[in-house]
Amino acid sequence: GNSVTQMEGPVTLSEEAFLTINCTYTATGYPSLFWYVQYPGEGLQLLLKATKADDKGSNKGFEATYRKETTSFHLEKGSVQVSDSAVYFCALSDRDNQGGKLIFGQGTELSVKP
Amino acid sequence: ETGVTQSPTHLIKTRGQQVTLRCSSQSGHNTVSWYQQALGQGPQFIFQYYREEENGRGNFPPRFSGLQFPNYSSELNVNALELDDSALYLCASSPSGDRASETQYFGPGTRLLVL
Repeated sequence: GNSVTQMEGPVTLSEEAFLTINCTYTATGYPSLFWYVQYPGEGLQLLLKATKADDKGSNKGFEATYRKETTSFHLEKGSVQVSDSAVYFCALSDRDNQGGKLIFGQGTELSVKP
Repeated sequence: ETGVTQSPTHLIKTRGQQVTLRCSSQSGHNTVSWYQQALGQGPQFIFQYYREEENGRGNFPPRFSGLQFPNYSSELNVNALELDDSALYLCASSPSGDRASETQYFGPGTRLLVL
């Protein structure tokens, strides 16, 4: 079945460090890929998405490129801030015409220290 | 534009009881999905409603049921509560439910504790 695997956390970085959170997926067909962020005590917010191979999603300095050949969608940011501390979830959706149920990874907690 | 809202925010129940959680979808959205997020885990898909009909279901037992109303708001009902039902329940709405590429917009969740 379809699945998403993320690198385990927690990830602890100093402010202005470079961030990579790895995400790989297994899916039949051509899924859409998403990164969601969850701040403490809140629901999920869409961070970025990509809907076909080689697409790059970007938002708030975060980027991820849909790599079909490596079935990956790694999240990157060049310079993290304390306010980026949160849990990040990679997800896929692959059901056209029946609605897209999201399949999530287990989440990666990021802690950024001043 | 009003986002997705959920009620209540927190709830405490005992084993064997029944619970109803509510969700109002974002304006203009006709599809609602429900997810269960256990502590420290990613959300798990429960089911989705599109124009008042169930439109896909995850691996949850029949004691998890739902409804969608003509205004596209939705309820999640859980009967015979078990301790493992303790989780954050998330509702998400999307514009049309017919594209996997659509963004789902999440509410803040209802945190359920079963004692």
